[in-house]
Amino acid sequence: EPEVTQTPSHQVTQMGQEVILRCVPISNHLYFYWYRQILGQKVEFLVSFYNNEISEKSEIFDDQFSVERPDGSNFTLKIRSTKLEDSAMYFCASSTANTDTQYFGPGTRLTVL
Amino acid sequence: QKEVEQDPGPLSVPEGAIVSLNCTYSNSAFQYFMWYRQYSRKGPELLMYTYSSGNKEDGRFTAQVDKSSKYISLFIRDSQPSDSATYLCAMSAGGGFKTIFGAGTRLFVKA
Repeated sequence: EPEVTQTPSHQVTQMGQEVILRCVPISNHLYFYWYRQILGQKVEFLVSFYNNEISEKSEIFDDQFSVERPDGSNFTLKIRSTKLEDSAMYFCASSTANTDTQYFGPGTRLTVL
Repeated sequence: QKEVEQDPGPLSVPEGAIVSLNCTYSNSAFQYFMWYRQYSRKGPELLMYTYSSGNKEDGRFTAQVDKSSKYISLFIRDSQPSDSATYLCAMSAGGGFKTIFGAGTRLFVKA
């Protein structure tokens, strides 16, 4: 069964450093998403991406964040200058064009020290 | 009022019990309603997906959506210890729109 994959599973970084989280969505999906979940809190939407551009973003997704689909398979989330409060699980998800059944990856745990 | 409200629990039941999990919402634009199961430190796993109002059954799981009341439910029959997890309701207005999650209900099924 096809699945969303994410790398790395755990990323530790120093405050102020840039990080790139990587995702490989399900191959025939056209919508891509990033969510985050701070430990013990709810899953929060960050951004959705379709046709090589951002279709929607939340207030969390400020200028420190960017997304890119550098090739036909990868989807990345970049945080330019990490803050302590960026520590969270980051989940990538993907869906087909006509439904909103989003399939989630296993997540990347980001720890900012 | 929050867009999606879900009682975080915890909910503890004996093995074999029928479990009822619920969410309410305020945004009448929501058309797609999902239930995800999340184990500790793992990604959400899609359990059930319903479009608009009605019931949907899959094995031991039944999802109900009542759009007139803005209320959705997930029933688990013959609950098993392996069902112990956090159950997240989620909903969106349509393809490509953001999905809004409830806080999740922690379920413990005791053997």
